[in-house]
Amino acid sequence: AQSVTQPDIHITVSEGASLELRCNYSYGATPYLFWYVQSPGQGLQLLLKYFSGDTLVQGIKGFEAEFKRSQSSFNLRKPSVHWSDAAEYFCAVGVEGRRALTFGSGTRLQVQP
Amino acid sequence: EAGVAQSPRYKIIEKRQSVAFWCNPISGHATLYWYQQILGQGPKLLIQFQNNGVVDDSQLPKDRFSAERLKGVDSTLKIQPAKLEDSAVYLCASSLGQGTLYNEQFFGPGTRLTVL
Repeated sequence: AQSVTQPDIHITVSEGASLELRCNYSYGATPYLFWYVQSPGQGLQLLLKYFSGDTLVQGIKGFEAEFKRSQSSFNLRKPSVHWSDAAEYFCAVGVEGRRALTFGSGTRLQVQP
Repeated sequence: EAGVAQSPRYKIIEKRQSVAFWCNPISGHATLYWYQQILGQGPKLLIQFQNNGVVDDSQLPKDRFSAERLKGVDSTLKIQPAKLEDSAVYLCASSLGQGTLYNEQFFGPGTRLTVL
């Protein structure tokens, strides 16, 4: 069965600094990969997704992620963080033939002024 | 366009009581999902509907949880009787089409359940 690991439970960065959130997956074939953001009191919102093709994908709000098959990773990046980016971020994996997503346990991002 | 609506937003009950959550998906979305999100964990799919039929309920604890989507629009998730470990946020989501991985899921704000 597929699984997703987000090694960092909590990350604090300064506003304007760059950000990288880590995501590792376990699955035999090429998975479908997603990043979601959850702000306090809000539902999850899709930031970006990877199905195939170019391994660097662009998403909303200035986020991007890179699929690295050799490292089984799909890390999320942003060059300059804004205070409004403070939220919880979830990586998720889907597999061909199943419709359900498997989510990681999330990384909480705090942004310092 | 209105988003996914859920009610209530918060609910506190005693163990062994029953509780029901309601979800109204985005208009025209044929697929509806219920997720359970325990504190410190990612969401876990409980059940997926395609119109008013169940597509996947493999992770639904059927001895105490039930869900219905009678007219293929809004849905109700019920827990009876509740246990302490049911304390979680219950998220509803909806998507267009057949609910495959290619169809983006849109999430509601969730219902936070506390079982005492």
